[in-house]
Amino acid sequence: GQQLNQSPQSMFIQEGEDVSMNCTSSSIFNTWLWYKQDPGEGPVLLIALYKAGELTSNGRLTAQFGITRKDSFLNISASIPSDVGIYFCAGQTTDKLIFGTGTRLQVFP
Amino acid sequence: NAGVTQTPKFRVLKTGQSMTLLCAQDMNHEYMYWYRQDPGMGLRLIHYSVGEGTTAKGEVPDGYNVSRLKKQNFLLGLESAAPSQTSVYFCASSYPLTGYYEQYFGPGTRLTVT
Repeated sequence: GQQLNQSPQSMFIQEGEDVSMNCTSSSIFNTWLWYKQDPGEGPVLLIALYKAGELTSNGRLTAQFGITRKDSFLNISASIPSDVGIYFCAGQTTDKLIFGTGTRLQVFP
Repeated sequence: NAGVTQTPKFRVLKTGQSMTLLCAQDMNHEYMYWYRQDPGMGLRLIHYSVGEGTTAKGEVPDGYNVSRLKKQNFLLGLESAAPSQTSVYFCASSYPLTGYYEQYFGPGTRLTVT
């Protein structure tokens, strides 16, 4: 089946640093979504992207829908301790989402 | 709005036992989904439904059955639980008729099969 390659698998950063993660696919997607999952909780939607080349921000988060429609990027600026969690990308195909394997983010004070 | 709720939150089963997980949403969403999450595997789709009375198989449907008798509820059944079904199960819903495919997730059910 379709797969999304998400990298890096994990990141250990210091508070205040910027973070970048990305997702690539062999298939084209019409929509890219980014979710965050806190420990013991369900994923929460952060940003949705609907158009190739689109750049969208949500506070300190910025995400981009790649021009080829096969990739997406998420940046977090000036990280804070509550940014800790697992970040998932997801691509929309027909009536389903395909999820990446996640990037685990740890932030040290 | 409670959003998406799941019951139970935790459950321990013995191999061969059966159980049903309940998902309920109060957002009038058409589509509902069941996922399982295992360490390092991300979220994998088990079954989904695009409307009341309809169901379809996802990526990992074997060993599970589902029913969507009411629009707001989506049930996931395990007829004969196996240790390989130990996982965290998430339900989600969406309203793609608006053109948007964002899925909203419940808090999860942690299932252990011994």
